Amino acid sequence: GQNIDQPTEMTATEGAIVQINCTYQTSGFNGLFWYQQHAGEAPTFLSYNVLDGLEEKGRFSSFLSRSKGYSYLLLKELQMKDSASYLCAVNSGGYNKLIFGAGTRLAVHP
Amino acid sequence: GAVVSQHPSWVICKSGTSVKIECRSLDFQATTMFWYRQFPKQSLMLMATSNEGSKATYEQGVEKDKFLINHASLTLSTLTVTSAHPEDSSFYICSANLILLAGGVDTQYFGPGTRLTVL
Repeated sequence: GQNIDQPTEMTATEGAIVQINCTYQTSGFNGLFWYQQHAGEAPTFLSYNVLDGLEEKGRFSSFLSRSKGYSYLLLKELQMKDSASYLCAVNSGGYNKLIFGAGTRLAVHP
Repeated sequence: GAVVSQHPSWVICKSGTSVKIECRSLDFQATTMFWYRQFPKQSLMLMATSNEGSKATYEQGVEKDKFLINHASLTLSTLTVTSAHPEDSSFYICSANLILLAGGVDTQYFGPGTRLTVL
């Protein structure tokens, strides 16, 4: 079956660093994506990993280990506006469908 | 770039009526678009894959006669919820595929969503 797991909720302090983990088991793999979704809004694309290793984009970084079926999203210098849900999604191939995890709700406190 | 619009952003309708939601890729062409629904505090559930010029591919458990999808052009896909009932009330989101030049990986860009309330 297809399964993507991520923590349900996390809290962090403004200015700190937080790591959101994602593990996956899918029938195929053509890349892993991270999206940010604020309440009542559509997801916005943050990053993707196709090969193993770390991809850095400003305050956000994403890591992938295909052999372990594992990824994480690292957010640095947290800001209040980073309070949102973070969705891990795997492109399992075949029309490039994305399978989404349930999302991690991150609350950033002053 | 990579802007996707949806119309309407919200709609309230009576039970038994049909509602059409439009999804447009504004600055790129998309041969493939996707339709999702999302219930409060839950993740996105893929309903169907919409391919330009061909029939949509529906996920298991999604009634194709109830959720009609038409992908008439490379920039427009529509979802019609027929004979809507209160249990169809949800947040409907579309996305369009764009091939990133760097790495050649298809990336989905999402529309702003349509909140449907069926009374």
